[in-house]
Amino acid sequence: QKEVEQDPGPLSVPEGAIVSLNCTYSNSAFQYFMWYRQYSRKGPELLMYTYSSGNKEDGRFTAQVDKSSKYISLFIRDSQPSDSATYLCAMKGTNAGKSTFGDGTTLTVKP
Amino acid sequence: NAGVTQTPKFRVLKTGQSMTLLCAQDMNHEYMYWYRQDPGMGLRLIHYSVGEGTTAKGEVPDGYNVSRLKKQNFLLGLESAAPSQTSVYFCASRYSGGPQETQYFGPGTRLLVL
Repeated sequence: QKEVEQDPGPLSVPEGAIVSLNCTYSNSAFQYFMWYRQYSRKGPELLMYTYSSGNKEDGRFTAQVDKSSKYISLFIRDSQPSDSATYLCAMKGTNAGKSTFGDGTTLTVKP
Repeated sequence: NAGVTQTPKFRVLKTGQSMTLLCAQDMNHEYMYWYRQDPGMGLRLIHYSVGEGTTAKGEVPDGYNVSRLKKQNFLLGLESAAPSQTSVYFCASRYSGGPQETQYFGPGTRLLVL
């Protein structure tokens, strides 16, 4: 079983919809939780970063971490066609030299 | 400030040929990584380095070698390419200290092994 499981998708929504992207994990040592966005034929880029449990908001994006359930989510409000991309969750322990990535969820927002 | 650059952008190899992929970063980052990305399989870590002169195996190291002779460069070598190594290869780097754990990725190298 993988340490990080991500909802596989693909996901297709109309413009303006609220999108929920989710990952579960099994390693209780994970303390840092990241969401990367990857446009087609490009490298991933960091979208949101959270340390430990709680919520973090940045514009239309909200990252949520529930360590008790080992569950993280990324919410996108008022989704736009420009949000169409693959979203990768990633997480790591405090002193770990490397992160563990989910397989990614491909999102398409239709105008 | 170019960030992370990768050379070449695209390459076609025949089975058994060798090649080296070059990753360079100008952010003075200690950590560097090589990943491969295949459809539906996310990013899989091949090798990584926590500093100049150090390397460590990742999730899928077989068939690859790496070297970090200079802090700003991380080389990925394929000694005898196989069709199973057809993939998109991404390099990334990050700063080792402080709260920021962001990895900065290069644009990728597309490799086709025939």
